Amino acid sequence: EAQVTQNPRYLITVTGKKLTVTCSQNMNHEYMSWYRQDPGLGLRQIYYSMNVEVTDKGDVPEGYKVSRKEKRNFPLILESPSPNQTSLYFCASSPYTLGVPQHFGDGTRLSIL
Amino acid sequence: SQQGEEDPQALSIQEGENATMNCSYKTSINNLQWYRQNSGRGLVHLILIRSNEREKHSGRLRVTLDTSKKSSSLLITASRAADTASYFCATDPQGGSEKLVFGKGTKLTVNP
Repeated sequence: EAQVTQNPRYLITVTGKKLTVTCSQNMNHEYMSWYRQDPGLGLRQIYYSMNVEVTDKGDVPEGYKVSRKEKRNFPLILESPSPNQTSLYFCASSPYTLGVPQHFGDGTRLSIL
Repeated sequence: SQQGEEDPQALSIQEGENATMNCSYKTSINNLQWYRQNSGRGLVHLILIRSNEREKHSGRLRVTLDTSKKSSSLLITASRAADTASYFCATDPQGGSEKLVFGKGTKLTVNP
């Protein structure tokens, strides 16, 4: 089944403790991206990647890192999480850039205390 | 920055009625997409309309695009309780930014 898989789905952690949210797609997609969703603000893009080893900042990249060492994986790294990063996070992928539908994962709800 | 802005923010209708949601945006686009999100779940793609298209249909969905007014509308006909969800428009701005820009969404409630 074609899908985008995020892990974990839920995480409660404390300020400053490094964490990684994994994202994997099995569709051989070139384009992958991360969004955060906050009430009243909609979805905002954090980072995107157009292919292996090619990543770029979205609208809200501060406090986040990403890597794209393999085509299928696009982890989101919070080196020193803070409470303002408490949010619902989504990973998405598509065959190539943006002229096609994006496939979304089911989301990761992060709570940073 | 948020380009798409949906209107209304919330809409409550009865089953069987039509639901219309609007999206306005600020800069020229390559295409516009509509997505649906059930509570707490991932977004599901509904329909994509390119800048040179004016109208598109998919089942009970009808999307229009008016590039002169920089606006789009999503019409759901004969709504069902299962259509209850949030609906988002997303624009692909011209200029090669490679960033899809989402609006804040319309929360649709269809009452049985």
